[in-house]
Amino acid sequence: DGGITQSPKYLFRKEGQNVTLSCEQNLNHDAMYWYRQDPGQGLRLIYYSQIVNDFQKGDIAEGYSVSREKKESFPLTVTSAQKNPTAFYLCASSIGDRGRNQPQHFGDGTRLSIL
Amino acid sequence: QKEVEQNSGPLSVPEGAIASLNCTYSDRGSQSFFWYRQYSGKSPELIMSIYSNGDKEDGRFTAQLNKASQYVSLLIRDSQPSDSATYLCAVKQGDQGAQKLVFGQGTRLTINP
Repeated sequence: DGGITQSPKYLFRKEGQNVTLSCEQNLNHDAMYWYRQDPGQGLRLIYYSQIVNDFQKGDIAEGYSVSREKKESFPLTVTSAQKNPTAFYLCASSIGDRGRNQPQHFGDGTRLSIL
Repeated sequence: QKEVEQNSGPLSVPEGAIASLNCTYSDRGSQSFFWYRQYSGKSPELIMSIYSNGDKEDGRFTAQLNKASQYVSLLIRDSQPSDSATYLCAVKQGDQGAQKLVFGQGTRLTINP
């Protein structure tokens, strides 16, 4: 089945540690996105990518990094510079600019906590 | 002013009644609007999209768009307990090659049996 797979489902980070969240899609979508959601809040955009080997900062990119080496994959690294990383992280994808009105579809998310 | 605003609720509606969820947005150039439903602990799922002024119906759901007033709403008819969730309004913004969704903070809806 086509879809978006995020792993792991739960992740714990120690002080000073970088951790990487995986996002893979087999929908042949051009665009991929990373969001952060804090309890009782909406989604805030961290990074997005409209095409392979290119990505843009979202509203809260500080302390995060991404890469887009393959169309199917858009991993997010939460660096030690992100002092408050505890949140629910959501990856999404869409057809991108080929379909102006196309929605984004989401993976199941990764919950990150500090040990 | 936030780019996309929703009443955070909680909104409580009796079973079988109509639930009305509202959203306003600040970017007058926005063209695409989406409603997502998010159950507690789960990821958002798309339930409606709307691009033209007026109403769009899909089963028990009706989305309404008024671009002049920069207002989009979602009506849920014959509300069921399974409709209890947080509803997120999302607005697509940006230029070609850099389009993104901007989300409201969500409205928590509770349907009372």
